[in-house]
Amino acid sequence: EADIYQTPRYLVIGTGKKITLECSQTMGHDKMYWYQQDPGMELHLIHYSYGVNSTEKGDLSSESTVSRIRTEHFPLTLESARPSHTSQYLCASTASSGITGELFFGEGSRLTVL
Amino acid sequence: AQTVTQSQPEMSVQEAETVTLSCTYDTSENNYYLFWYKQPPSRQMILVIRQEAYKQQNATENRFSVNFQKAAKSFSLKISDSQLGDTAMYFCAFILTSGTYKYIFGTGTRLKVLA
Repeated sequence: EADIYQTPRYLVIGTGKKITLECSQTMGHDKMYWYQQDPGMELHLIHYSYGVNSTEKGDLSSESTVSRIRTEHFPLTLESARPSHTSQYLCASTASSGITGELFFGEGSRLTVL
Repeated sequence: AQTVTQSQPEMSVQEAETVTLSCTYDTSENNYYLFWYKQPPSRQMILVIRQEAYKQQNATENRFSVNFQKAAKSFSLKISDSQLGDTAMYFCAFILTSGTYKYIFGTGTRLKVLA
């Protein structure tokens, strides 16, 4: 069973607010990812990290930022939320030293910006 | 650049029947992994089955099996004895075993199992 946790699961906020979506994993994985997914639609990679102090932007441009100060923690921040940010955000992780290549997902954070 | 294509946006199947979801991919590399992921409504994405490209034998996991055709770059998922709990979005995914470690996902197939 995957040990990757996202909080909050659901968040409704007003325009202009700053929000941070938390993602933590207890598997010691070095690689972590954030995907944006509208309900029932495809996944878009917005950020990824290959280890501590390593972050990269993904294929979909996003106004969010991420940090990776600790191996287990990969938070995503929106400085000023807008209705266009309404979506589901999925965090995932994997171990580059593993033999399976499996990507483990959190349960997602569903964000609604009014 | 690698791509993954799922040409069936939606499918339905009767309970206890068999259904096959299609996936094709494009790469010039020789070593990679292929995956099928399942995302039930409002629930966590989980791995269904994986295939290493160097293995000719098709992977199987209980009722789930794949038809891996490396030359044709095809990776279809067969679900036998479909159950109501199989209702979900299914994503085909690809990753090279070396390099950027960026997963490439298809656009998904929404499968509905009918009672």
